[in-house]
Amino acid sequence: SQQGEEDPQALSIQEGENATMNCSYKTSINNLQWYRQNSGRGLVHLILIRSNEREKHSGRLRVTLDTSKKSSSLLITASRAADTASYFCATDRTGANNLFFGTGTRLTVIP
Amino acid sequence: DVKVTQSSRYLVKRTGEKVFLECVQDMDHENMFWYRQDPGLGLRLIYFSYDVKMKEKGDIPEGYSVSREKKERFSLILESASTNQTSMYLCASTTPTGGQETQYFGPGTRLLVL
Repeated sequence: SQQGEEDPQALSIQEGENATMNCSYKTSINNLQWYRQNSGRGLVHLILIRSNEREKHSGRLRVTLDTSKKSSSLLITASRAADTASYFCATDRTGANNLFFGTGTRLTVIP
Repeated sequence: DVKVTQSSRYLVKRTGEKVFLECVQDMDHENMFWYRQDPGLGLRLIYFSYDVKMKEKGDIPEGYSVSREKKERFSLILESASTNQTSMYLCASTTPTGGQETQYFGPGTRLLVL
């Protein structure tokens, strides 16, 4: 399947540190998105990067995309306790009209 | 702001019961989706819809059906609930440009089938 795979499955850091999560996928994409999910809640869109882009920033978020390696990374700088959540990457599929979500990285930021 | 609401946050049903999960969005989105989320498996697409009375099977449609009678409402139906359908159910909608763009999610319904 084209489902993305996040790495690591779980990450625990101290407040103020940077958090890096990775996503790998299998087939060609038009874009890749990152979503966040607080415990027991719905997902919230964070950022979208298109296949012709290599890097994108939004506030404390930095996303990179390497289409040759079929991978993406999400960097959260100067983490806060409120960043504690699960983070998912989602890829589209050429010719399809839906997204494929990975299994997520559970981030814990310790105050 | 886009708002996607789901009829229940928590639901407890018995095996064999017919279960209706309702999702309503207020942004005139044409595309709506139902996912289930299970630990270690991520989100899996059950059904989606591009328009009123239109539906497409996702990756795991077995045991489910859907209804889209009005543009703003997309219902997921478990005809005869089973314990393996205990899960978190998430509804989402997208802008009319299609499912490749940002999806807006509801808060989820956690269903327990006994």
